[in-house]
Amino acid sequence: ETGVTQTPRHLVMGMTNKKSLKCEQHLGHNAMYWYKQSAKKPLELMFVYSLEERVENNSVPSRFSPECPNSSHLFLHLHTLQPEDSALYLCASSQGPPGLYGYTFGSGTRLTVV
Amino acid sequence: RKEVEQDPGPFNVPEGATVAFNCTYSNSASQSFFWYRQDCRKEPKLLMSVYSSGNEDGRFTAQLNRASQYISLLIRDSKLSDSATYLCVVSNTDKLIFGTGTRLQVFP
Repeated sequence: ETGVTQTPRHLVMGMTNKKSLKCEQHLGHNAMYWYKQSAKKPLELMFVYSLEERVENNSVPSRFSPECPNSSHLFLHLHTLQPEDSALYLCASSQGPPGLYGYTFGSGTRLTVV
Repeated sequence: RKEVEQDPGPFNVPEGATVAFNCTYSNSASQSFFWYRQDCRKEPKLLMSVYSSGNEDGRFTAQLNRASQYISLLIRDSKLSDSATYLCVVSNTDKLIFGTGTRLQVFP
């Protein structure tokens, strides 16, 4: 148990589907992040939330829509995805500046778009 | 130029060997540095922070050279359980930036 829980662990969806990824942490952390990890590429930062406010949107296409209803929960809503969006989506949280505290990652959702 | 560059490997070494990974970063304003470990199909986990003076944690030694913008990780007496991908990570203010990782395979 990492302290950061992601569901589902695996997801297969068609290009016309709508689905949501969920992330939950009860570590009392103030910041939460979505990263995308594709094969042979570094982790790509998608969104940053600090104290439930989005502080960064790293030029992510609008077919990805984040939501942070409270400091413990983070969602990533998906619609009309493309096959190249297939990847491991990782949620992370941090109790303060990540340079001081690092991240705690969830186990990720492995997404396949067909 | 990538913000964090690593040799992707794989490095195939026998048990008991010493292996070193290197990493360079492009932003001279980077403030903090880490090595993360990622097992196959798992999430990354913090292995150790990297300090200017160099630091050691058991069989693992990390070094930072700010002038050359270079980070290293040395693993002594490799174990089978060290097989994983090692991610070099730098911090700029409010986020972590990851390298692609270096894959290590330790064989019997």
